[in-house]
Amino acid sequence: GAVVSQHPSWVICKSGTSVKIECRSLDFQATTMFWYRQFPKQSLMLMATSNEGSKATYEQGVEKDKFLINHASLTLSTLTVTSAHPEDSSFYICSARLRTGDYEQYFGPGTRLTVT
Amino acid sequence: GQNIDQPTEMTATEGAIVQINCTYQTSGFNGLFWYQQHAGEAPTFLSYNVLDGLEEKGRFSSFLSRSKGYSYLLLKELQMKDSASYLCAVGDYKLSFGAGTTVTVRA
Repeated sequence: GAVVSQHPSWVICKSGTSVKIECRSLDFQATTMFWYRQFPKQSLMLMATSNEGSKATYEQGVEKDKFLINHASLTLSTLTVTSAHPEDSSFYICSARLRTGDYEQYFGPGTRLTVT
Repeated sequence: GQNIDQPTEMTATEGAIVQINCTYQTSGFNGLFWYQQHAGEAPTFLSYNVLDGLEEKGRFSSFLSRSKGYSYLLLKELQMKDSASYLCAVGDYKLSFGAGTTVTVRA
């Protein structure tokens, strides 16, 4: 149990376009999901906390109008990178907790975004 | 804020033992995590320490000293498949990650 999927696994888009990444909890309901970004040879940086039925909470320095997060159901959160630029090219990973109060986060397989 | 330090790279021989150190300075502490991440893949959970001492789980053990702001991950009987990046993370509801230690296991 506790499987998290992401789609797509990789995507190439042109500068100025928008890209949507989906994060799904396959066998459990997740009221909270997390979105991370990881540049090559760097650590995971938390971008935002996605809460089902309410607005996401963004970390300092993350533009909420550029990285739109929608957590419309207990099994799906989406991250839309709007007006993408080459510097947005990165590995985007989502995670979820099995239950509120659990310490372990289950990570999705990640989405490799390349903006040309 | 959080400041988490771990070595960038380590190399060891198959069958050997490697210890990855992690030091942290945090405004608050709720627990320390170790994750394994293979290149191009998502991190997988290895261990969680909230109290001082050693937690053993098969070939992997993790130690925590809260007073020293120090943890280590011990990998025993190294196998080639253990070649990966090992991430130290601190937090509870939200996690702050170190930059990761790339471990290369050689035959």
